[in-house]
Amino acid sequence: AQSVAQPEDQVNVAEGNPLTVKCTYSVSGNPYLFWYVQYPNRGLQFLLKYITGDNLVKGSYGFEAEFNKSQTSFHLKKPSALVSDSALYFCAVSKNTGFQKLVFGTGTRLLVSP
Amino acid sequence: NAGVMQNPRHLVRRRGQEARLRCSPMKGHSHVYWYRQLPEEGLKFMVYLQKENIIDESGMPKERFSAEFPKEGPSILRIQQVVRGDSAAYFCASSPSPDPYNEQFFGPGTRLTVL
Repeated sequence: AQSVAQPEDQVNVAEGNPLTVKCTYSVSGNPYLFWYVQYPNRGLQFLLKYITGDNLVKGSYGFEAEFNKSQTSFHLKKPSALVSDSALYFCAVSKNTGFQKLVFGTGTRLLVSP
Repeated sequence: NAGVMQNPRHLVRRRGQEARLRCSPMKGHSHVYWYRQLPEEGLKFMVYLQKENIIDESGMPKERFSAEFPKEGPSILRIQQVVRGDSAAYFCASSPSPDPYNEQFFGPGTRLTVL
């Protein structure tokens, strides 16, 4: 069965500093990996995905993520955090066969201080 | 191009009543997914539907919950005889195809409160 772990409930970072939000996954076969962001009282917004190819994927709002197959990780990164990046971030995995069935992590709250 | 629409945004029901949640997918999308988010938790898959068909309902409780996506009109998630434990945010997502590499587009959610 697929699973996703986000080991940090909250990440605190000062504005202008780099940020990392961690995600590890477990899936049989090759994974499709996704990051979504949720702002208060809103639905999830797609940030980026890894399907195949280059291990470093770039997404919306300056975010990027690195796929590491040996460590089964897909950490979300941004070189310089903004206060407006403060939100709840979800990592999700889907098997690469059949229809899409996303399995989400429990989320990491990112708090960027001015 | 309007996004995924859900209504109502907030729904309050007393124990034993019925809750009916509606979802209109993005234009051109015929694949709908429902998720439930309990407080301080991630989203849990409930059901995947295509027009007029339930493809996978493995995440939906067997009792009291049902879903449909008719040929015309929105997808409906129906919860009969609601209990306090049904209080959660229910999100609908849509995609243009079932292919697992497609991102899903999420609606704003319906927040159900059971008194």
